Amino acid sequence: DAMVIQNPRYQVTQFGKPVTLSCSQTLNHNVMYWYQQKSSQAPKLLFHYYDKDFNNEADTPDNFQSRRPNTSFCFLDIRSPGLGDAAMYLCATSTRFSGTDTQYFGPGTRLTVL
Amino acid sequence: EDKVVQSPLSLVVHEGDTVTLNCSYEVTNFRSLLWYKQEKKAPTFLFMLTSSGIEKKSGRLSSILDKKELFSILNITATQTGDSAVYLCAVPSPAGKSTFGDGTTLTVKP
Repeated sequence: DAMVIQNPRYQVTQFGKPVTLSCSQTLNHNVMYWYQQKSSQAPKLLFHYYDKDFNNEADTPDNFQSRRPNTSFCFLDIRSPGLGDAAMYLCATSTRFSGTDTQYFGPGTRLTVL
Repeated sequence: EDKVVQSPLSLVVHEGDTVTLNCSYEVTNFRSLLWYKQEKKAPTFLFMLTSSGIEKKSGRLSSILDKKELFSILNITATQTGDSAVYLCAVPSPAGKSTFGDGTTLTVKP
């Protein structure tokens, strides 16, 4: 059974055209994360939610926004995608913050910017 | 700033070989270290290590943590082509952020 679902799996957008990526989870986890992963690089955390509390990484560009309307869903909005935003976007969840929590990753959305 | 360093960055072996992947870390407030396998898709969880010297094992994969020397190793014995992947090491913080290493790309040739 799918636990962390991301849609779409592949997204093509034009330079400057807003795009929204979605993530849903059936695990009822408190924490949801969005990562950006470029080719041959480690995943880079953009932001995370602990329940409704939003935590933005200091170096996440303002172009990236997120919404979590309920426990199950989280969205990543890219307001004006640039060529440098082409990447794999990974959603992950965990039960809580303790430093001993496994993160469960979705399959990712590969974003192409033309 | 927390740091996780993996070595080697890439490795090419033949089926049947044994490999050892390394992960060293410098983090504040260490609680655990995680290993993931990533094959052209999202990372999948392999192991979580919290205690020094206790080996975690799953089939041909095993891992151990040394909290004194601040490193972990991931061993894969009798490698198969299906083991070809990027292996990521990550250290989560209690504040919620995981610091990932850059990964080791393992290629297993027939």
